Amino acid sequence: QQQVKQSPQSLIVQKGGISIINCAYENTAFDYFPWYQQFPGKGPALLIAIRPDVSEKKEGRFTISFNKSAKQFSLHIMDSQPGDSATYFCAAFDRGSTLGRLYFGRGTQLTVWP
Amino acid sequence: DGGITQSPKYLFRKEGQNVTLSCEQNLNHDAMYWYRQDPGQGLRLIYYSQIVNDFQKGDIAEGYSVSREKKESFPLTVTSAQKNPTAFYLCASSPGVSSTDTQYFGPGTRLTVL
Repeated sequence: QQQVKQSPQSLIVQKGGISIINCAYENTAFDYFPWYQQFPGKGPALLIAIRPDVSEKKEGRFTISFNKSAKQFSLHIMDSQPGDSATYFCAAFDRGSTLGRLYFGRGTQLTVWP
Repeated sequence: DGGITQSPKYLFRKEGQNVTLSCEQNLNHDAMYWYRQDPGQGLRLIYYSQIVNDFQKGDIAEGYSVSREKKESFPLTVTSAQKNPTAFYLCASSPGVSSTDTQYFGPGTRLTVL
């Protein structure tokens, strides 16, 4: 059973456009929500993260929007650039786990056309 | 130069053979993780370890084994019991197991079974 559901699976955006990736969860024990960015042939790297007591977090062109009541969160990439082309994973941290367990979405492959 | 190293980058194995993937970190992190990545499947947790000489099964541990004899090393053995071992394997580490302890990933090992 997928603990974190991510959509879309792939996304094509024109340069300068807004990329939006959505994630949803059911487990109320999740209390930290990071996003990872992965380039082909590389390991994922932390991009941005948010706690559920905050509705939005912005870092440069990247913004997380969080809706606690709906158990949904999303990543917005403003002014998308070809260099943003990568696979993006949302994740959720289970505070009920004693061993630092992260659950990942299935990933979204973003392509930004120049 | 601190980080996580995985070797080899590419590995080919014949069916029926066991193979060991290396993961070393010099970040002085307590926790280490192994994930398997398949197209469209996201990151699935194989094993994780909070401290030396202790490790726990993740969601897909069958056909895999690990050891944690040293803090900086967490090798993964893919045994012949793993029915479909061809995949991209990622090792990660984190300072601890709290929600804000970011998981840092290595560059991965791509295993192909011939």
